[in-house]
Amino acid sequence: SAVISQKPSRDICQRGTSLTIQCQVDSQVTMMFWYRQQPGQSLTLIATANQGSEATYESGFVIDKFPISRPNLTFSTLTVSNMSPEDSSIYLCSVDEGQGHREQYFGPGTRLTVT
Amino acid sequence: AQTVTQSQPEMSVQEAETVTLSCTYDTSESNYYLFWYKQPPSRQMILVIRQEAYKQQNATENRFSVNFQKAAKSFSLKISDSQLGDTAMYFCAFMKKSNDMRFGAGTRLTVKP
Repeated sequence: SAVISQKPSRDICQRGTSLTIQCQVDSQVTMMFWYRQQPGQSLTLIATANQGSEATYESGFVIDKFPISRPNLTFSTLTVSNMSPEDSSIYLCSVDEGQGHREQYFGPGTRLTVT
Repeated sequence: AQTVTQSQPEMSVQEAETVTLSCTYDTSESNYYLFWYKQPPSRQMILVIRQEAYKQQNATENRFSVNFQKAAKSFSLKISDSQLGDTAMYFCAFMKKSNDMRFGAGTRLTVKP
C-alpha cells in the first residue's frame, strides 16, 4: 500500500490564524481525501481532492474555510483558515490507489490545537 | 444518505479470547464496500479488513474475519486469539462506488492481560 506522510504532525495555533497541512504520497494516486476527527469522535470527510480540478466539498465544509490544493498526483495541502477553538481536531489525509482496489489508506494525521 | 451504526461504544476481552464487534448500516445501494479500520493510540488509521457487497463469501485476514449479512445490513468483525496489540478504536466504514466513505462512531476495544 502507499506510504503517506503529513506535516506537521501537530501544532498549536492562535485563534484567527491559518495553518496549512501537507500530505505527501510515495506513489501517484488519482484520488486524495481530507478528513476531520474531532476529539473523541469519528472521521468526517471534508473534501475530495483530484489533481487538475477543484476539490469537491462535503456538506458543512466550504472552500473559504478549508482551501485545498492538489498540484500533482503525489501531493495535496489543506489549509484551515481563520481558526477558532472549534477547529481543534485531528486532520487526516487518505488516498485511493485506484486500480480497482477501492480502499483508502490514511496518513498519520495532524493534531491541531487552537487556543 | 448512508449511515453506519456501531452500537458498542466500548468492549473488553481477555487476551487469547475471541471478541465480536457489531456494525449495521443503512443504504439503498446494491453495490458497495465495507471496511473495518483500527486506530491505536498513535492515531494511525489502519485498514483491517475489506468486504465487497457483491461477494457472498465473508472476508478473512489472519485472526480477523467478518460476518457479512447483506439482507440484514450487518457487518460484524470477529477477532480471534486477541492480542494486547489489538487494543484500539475500531471503526466500521461504508463506501459507495464513488469513494464517498462514511464511518461509524467507533468501538473502543481493550484487550486485558
